[in-house]
Amino acid sequence: EIVMTQSPATLSVSPGEGATLSCRASQSVSYNLAWYQQKPGQAPRLLIYGASTRATGIPARFSGSGSGTEFTLTISSLQSEDFAVYYCQQCDNWPLTFGGGTKVEIK
Amino acid sequence: QVQLQQSGPGLVKPSQTLSLTCAITGDSVSSNRAAWNWIRQSPSRGLEWLGRTYYRSKWYNDYAVSVKSRITINADTSKNQFSLQVNSVTPEDTAVYFCAGSTDSSDWYRHFDYWGQGTLVTVSS
Repeated sequence: EIVMTQSPATLSVSPGEGATLSCRASQSVSYNLAWYQQKPGQAPRLLIYGASTRATGIPARFSGSGSGTEFTLTISSLQSEDFAVYYCQQCDNWPLTFGGGTKVEIK
Repeated sequence: QVQLQQSGPGLVKPSQTLSLTCAITGDSVSSNRAAWNWIRQSPSRGLEWLGRTYYRSKWYNDYAVSVKSRITINADTSKNQFSLQVNSVTPEDTAVYFCAGSTDSSDWYRHFDYWGQGTLVTVSS
């Protein structure tokens, strides 16, 4: 099973600032990685797939990069609605696995 | 726009069977360009993919090894829905359960475009 490790666990950011979230896979997943955003009491929402392709309706301030074992989600100029927990998921091997999440909180 | 609506009990007794249903609107459970998944989330396990069903001239299932001996995912084409059954539940199966749809083929339908609202299932006597 591929283990996904996210860092940091919590990121404190002021509104308007940028944020960089990291995700590491225990073995290569090529470009087969997705990012999700989850707010309290809600289901996760797909942000990015294929490591860098934004899902339908996702603002351009969200961008993904990386390949192999190292991936990054960048949020430029955080808006109030962006404070949430973010998860990465590898889509390369069975079983499909998720990272433990990064909570982006208001500084 | 695809929407998924979950239903099922929120409380199940230990050793009994957990059963949930996910009704699909905006797509077909028997689409040959989609896969239909169940995922659960708990504080101890995080997000855990459980399994999926999909139709490609016949029905296929993939299950996580961790639960493979206890779960069944079925499709009901007459109601355009799919279901999850988990047998012999224990308190460790307590979690929020989500159904999710995969409709993009770029990674063989392995990321989740659409999600149900989630159902908190508590296993307790």
